[in-house]
Amino acid sequence: GESVGLHLPTLSVQEGDNSIINCAYSNSASDYFIWYKQESGKGPQFIIDIRSNMDKRQGQRVTVLLNKTVKHLSLQIAATQPGDSAVYFCAENRGGGTSYGKLTFGQGTILTVHP
Amino acid sequence: NAGVTQTPKFQVLKTGQSMTLQCAQDMNHEYMSWYRQDPGMGLRLIHYSVGAGITDQGEVPNGYNVSRSTTEDFPLRLLSAAPSQTSVYFCASSRLQGRATGANVLTFGAGSRLTVL
Repeated sequence: GESVGLHLPTLSVQEGDNSIINCAYSNSASDYFIWYKQESGKGPQFIIDIRSNMDKRQGQRVTVLLNKTVKHLSLQIAATQPGDSAVYFCAENRGGGTSYGKLTFGQGTILTVHP
Repeated sequence: NAGVTQTPKFQVLKTGQSMTLQCAQDMNHEYMSWYRQDPGMGLRLIHYSVGAGITDQGEVPNGYNVSRSTTEDFPLRLLSAAPSQTSVYFCASSRLQGRATGANVLTFGAGSRLTVL
């Protein structure tokens, strides 16, 4: 079946730099996307979401960009901090009715922030 | 407000043994689900429920049973454990608002690490 994937499995940045984590999806019917952060030994934690009728959405220090033409999703973290070190997952949902809650997760990207 | 609570955190089983992973949420969320997380494969949906008395299969349901007798609890049962079920299991819940668009923000538990020998 179709799945969500990530271009880079690891990303290392210096504290204060901006980070960009990429995600490619193959299901053109997907209309809702979420980014989760998972710290070691913990469950995934919601960061930000975006619907397919949007190209960009901003949160606190984070921005998600959606390019439906090339089926690409990215998470930008501004002024990255050591506390941002974690595994980041993108997830998609086709939306509506019986597909509710059936998130398909990517493999994850390990972000390491060096002081 | 504890959120989503999973027990046990760690469990070792022998092949063929049975056990139940417990999940409880105190947020009055209608939707609950179980995922398993394996290295390099992200999280995969096992079973889910949109309310008490209603359950359905996810992507990888074989070998697992669930029931939803109350809004708060959603246990996952392994009837005859196999080494392929060695994994980290996560329970998650959410409200049903946004259902029409499939938009749901899941709150995850801390996970249960299961090893089957």
